[in-house]
Amino acid sequence: AQSVTQPDARVTVSEGASLQLRCKYSYSATPYLFWYVQYPRQGLQLLLKYYSGDPVVQGVNSFEAEFSKSNSSFHLQKASVHWSDSAVYFCALRGSALGRLHFGAGTQLIVIP
Amino acid sequence: DMKVTQMPRYLIKRMGENVLLECGQDMSHETMYWYRQDPGLGLQLIYISYDVDSNSEGDIPKGYRVSRKKREHFSLILDSAKTNQTSVYFCASKGAETLYFGSGTRLTVL
Repeated sequence: AQSVTQPDARVTVSEGASLQLRCKYSYSATPYLFWYVQYPRQGLQLLLKYYSGDPVVQGVNSFEAEFSKSNSSFHLQKASVHWSDSAVYFCALRGSALGRLHFGAGTQLIVIP
Repeated sequence: DMKVTQMPRYLIKRMGENVLLECGQDMSHETMYWYRQDPGLGLQLIYISYDVDSNSEGDIPKGYRVSRKKREHFSLILDSAKTNQTSVYFCASKGAETLYFGSGTRLTVL
């Protein structure tokens, strides 16, 4: 079975602070992992993806994520957040190149100016 | 410009009415999806379409059906809508690297 857990429904940080949004997955092999962002009244947009290789992947807007097989995690990080980063962030998993995408419940990020 | 377009953006229907949600894409993608998004549940997959007239149930297909007669159009149909189908519905198409999402349709069933 495949599943994604985002343990934090909401995260509040001050502008300029660092950020980590947590994602844990359940899958028997190494999955394809994604982070998507959803701004208000919009669809989801891809931030970054991990298929294999270097466990730290870079994405748009200075976001990065680190894959950990031992911890079954794919946490999203940013060194310094901006108020415009306020959005809902979704972690997602796909078991194979042709497989279905399984989404976590999402984490709402609130950045306080 | 790569785009997924959903119509309408907002829709209010009464219980028992039929509902048609439409989705178009201009990227000639073969595979398209319908999801619904509810608070605390993330996105749940309703249906997948692998191409014209090649559709497959997702995780929560009950109460829904789909139609894909042209590659660029994928419709979601609710026959006799129920109040628990109030949700935000997203269409997506599958590119080589990622899914492309529309802006969603917010459906309210009274």
